[in-house]
Amino acid sequence: DTAVSQTPKYLVTQMGNDKSIKCEQNLGHDTMYWYKQDSKKFLKIMFSYNNKELIINETVPNRFSPKSPDKAHLNLHINSLELGDSAVYFCASSRLPVSGNTIYFGEGSWLTVV
Amino acid sequence: QQPVQSPQAVILREGEDAVINCSSSKALYSVHWYRQKHGEAPVFLMILLKGGEQKGHDKISASFNEKKQQSSLYLTASQLSYSGTYFCGTESGRDDKIIFGKGTRLHILP
Repeated sequence: DTAVSQTPKYLVTQMGNDKSIKCEQNLGHDTMYWYKQDSKKFLKIMFSYNNKELIINETVPNRFSPKSPDKAHLNLHINSLELGDSAVYFCASSRLPVSGNTIYFGEGSWLTVV
Repeated sequence: QQPVQSPQAVILREGEDAVINCSSSKALYSVHWYRQKHGEAPVFLMILLKGGEQKGHDKISASFNEKKQQSSLYLTASQLSYSGTYFCGTESGRDDKIIFGKGTRLHILP
């Protein structure tokens, strides 16, 4: 059983399109995250939700909108896709406080904008 | 504030030792170490909390010097399976936000 699963794994789309990435965790964690890893492998936090409430919102264009229907799911919707959005997007989850807990990452969603 | 990792990359022969450093300009509450193999998700190695403790399992250990705002990851007698990119993630001020460094690419040769 995959602990943190995200779909789709690969996504190729044209500039200007809108796309969503879905994420689900079966670990019973209260907190979920979205990280973006660019071509230089820089792993940057985008958002964090705790019990469906947004707790971390980094400087991310408002074209990116996370949605958490329940604490086991955190989806990422991206409007008007741009070339610079091409990256690997990792969903993750953990318990809080994060200082004492492991962050479990999903396998990543490879987004290519052409 | 993103932590700084050094070196950026290192190539070793199997059996050699490696040290990866992570430093921050801010006071740290915790340091997390992850390893990512090519095309895969980052995988947890260990967490170190404020207090200067050293942790380890198998031949991988880490230290945390809170006064210097630094952590080091030690890989002893490296194995081929140790190849990958190592990330340190730091938390300042108990805000539950982990900021990752740019990673250190480690390549182990047979």
